[in-house]
Amino acid sequence: QKEVEQDPGPLSVPEGAIVSLNCTYSNSAFQYFMWYRQYSRKGPELLMYTYSSGNKEDGRFTAQVDKSSKYISLFIRDSQPSDSATYLCSTRFYFGSGTKLNVKP
Amino acid sequence: DTAVSQTPKYLVTQMGNDKSIKCEQNLGHDTMYWYKQDSKKFLKIMFSYNNKELIINETVPNRFSPKSPDKAHLNLHINSLELGDSAVYFCASSPRGVPSTDTQYFGPGTRLTVL
Repeated sequence: QKEVEQDPGPLSVPEGAIVSLNCTYSNSAFQYFMWYRQYSRKGPELLMYTYSSGNKEDGRFTAQVDKSSKYISLFIRDSQPSDSATYLCSTRFYFGSGTKLNVKP
Repeated sequence: DTAVSQTPKYLVTQMGNDKSIKCEQNLGHDTMYWYKQDSKKFLKIMFSYNNKELIINETVPNRFSPKSPDKAHLNLHINSLELGDSAVYFCASSPRGVPSTDTQYFGPGTRLTVL
């Protein structure tokens, strides 16, 4: 069993849509959960991180952790074509396989 | 100012050769990592150094040898390259604190192609 599992996508949405990206993790000892964005042929860049359970909001992005179900989510409001990228969830140094998002103008 | 830099960006070589990839970070972080990203975008930890000391060594063939001359540099040497080593190799660094968030700052990657 992988430490972090992620819906592989790809996901294609129209501009302005709300996007929901999801992951599950296996070890209940994990406390910090990160989301990274990776554009094609670039390194992953940290978007945001959350601690334990709850929500964290940063502009159009909201990260959510539900420790009871070991579920991690990232919501993107008013999605833009510039959001088109692969999104990776992570805890510690374990990464999901990434969800490729395409936002169509 | 580049935070995490890697050289070279591209590396094309023959099977059986030995090659090195270099990484430097100017963020003042104590911890550095090597990751391998395969063609399906799966990012897997290989090694981690904290202040020049090896702290993580995942199941990686011993043809791969990391070296950290100081806490700002982490190099990766690969002996006897094989076709399966073709991938993108990312260096990353992480601030260490209490509590540790393990948030990573990645370099641009080195795309290795073994022919």
